[in-house]
Amino acid sequence: DTAVSQTPKYLVTQMGNDKSIKCEQNLGHDTMYWYKQDSKKFLKIMFSYNNKELIINETVPNRFSPKSPDKAHLNLHINSLELGDSAVYFCASSKTGIDSGANVLTFGAGSRLTVL
Amino acid sequence: QQPVQSPQAVILREGEDAVINCSSSKALYSVHWYRQKHGEAPVFLMILLKGGEQKGHDKISASFNEKKQQSSLYLTASQLSYSGTYFCGTREGAQKLVFGQGTRLTINP
Repeated sequence: DTAVSQTPKYLVTQMGNDKSIKCEQNLGHDTMYWYKQDSKKFLKIMFSYNNKELIINETVPNRFSPKSPDKAHLNLHINSLELGDSAVYFCASSKTGIDSGANVLTFGAGSRLTVL
Repeated sequence: QQPVQSPQAVILREGEDAVINCSSSKALYSVHWYRQKHGEAPVFLMILLKGGEQKGHDKISASFNEKKQQSSLYLTASQLSYSGTYFCGTREGAQKLVFGQGTRLTINP
């Protein structure tokens, strides 16, 4: 049973198009994240939701819009795609708390977006 | 501000040791270590919560020097399976984990 699952695994699209990536976790975690990993492997946080509430919104273009219908799901919609959006997008989840196991991220397998 | 890792890349022969460092210009309250194999997702290795804490499993261990605002990851008698990119992560606020730029470790037979 996959803990954090993302779909699709690969997207290839033209500039200007709109695309969505979906993420689901079955770990019972209450916080979910989107990270972007560029070609240099840098992992940069984009958004985070805690119990459906947006708690982290980094300096990301407005073309990126996350949505969390419930605490087990987090989607990412990207409008008007640009060449620079090409990257691997990772969904992750964690539980909130102060014990040593809290806030540890479990990542999905990633969605590789290629904008032509 | 992201933590800084060094070195950026390491190439070892199987059985050799490696140290990866992670330092921050801000006070550190905890340090996470993750490993990402090529084409896969990052996977959690360990978390250090207190200054002076040391942890390890198998032949991978880490230390956390709170005063120096740094952590080090030690890989002893490296195995081929240790190859990958290692990331340290530090907390900014309650939920935000910021990663270093990664250290690429290559183990050759």
